[in-house]
Amino acid sequence: GQQVMQIPQYQHVQEGEDFTTYCNSSTTLSNIQWYKQRPGGHPVFLIQLVKSGEVKKQKRLTFQFGEAKKNSSLHITATQTTDVGTYFCAAHSYSGAGSYQLTFGKGTKLSVIP
Amino acid sequence: KAGVTQTPRYLIKTRGQQVTLSCSPISGHRSVSWYQQTPGQGLQFLFEYFSETQRNKGNFPGRFSGRQFSNSRSEMNVSTLELGDSALYLCASSPGQGASPPNTGELFFGEGSRLTVL
Repeated sequence: GQQVMQIPQYQHVQEGEDFTTYCNSSTTLSNIQWYKQRPGGHPVFLIQLVKSGEVKKQKRLTFQFGEAKKNSSLHITATQTTDVGTYFCAAHSYSGAGSYQLTFGKGTKLSVIP
Repeated sequence: KAGVTQTPRYLIKTRGQQVTLSCSPISGHRSVSWYQQTPGQGLQFLFEYFSETQRNKGNFPGRFSGRQFSNSRSEMNVSTLELGDSALYLCASSPGQGASPPNTGELFFGEGSRLTVL
């Protein structure tokens, strides 16, 4: 399936600082999704990007899809303790017979120091 | 609308045993996907079922199998358990169609079944 590399693996920030995680692929992606998993919880869908160069915002979160559709980023402005968790990017790859498979990056674990 | 329900939430097995995990998707969702989550490997795709048919399969040995029933509920089975099978097994449901490209919409995950193999 599609390989998506995600960096960094861990990020520790002081509350109020910004945070960015990056997702990269060697091939063109049809779309990219972002999920958040709180400690002890399950992944929760945040957003999906489809168009080249697309930028979407959700309050303090900004999601970008690269012009070449090979990379994406999630930026959080002024982190809060509620932002703690692991952020995953995920991409669909065509698996044949009209079907697509969703492959996840390894995730970026965000810690916020109050 | 009720979310995705997975049972059991926790279980402990010994090597060589087999285990069956259950997943009830969101009402109306016809696609169920299974993922294995471990600290080292992250979220790895096991398989996806749509309308009782396996539509996609990840790179796991044949000891991992699954099925889906006519009411869209799904089960996965792991036979001859190994220590390395200890993981959080997550089920996710989606409508399975209607998105563009097809079955590329968001996934709704359950709380997971945490399996420990001793």
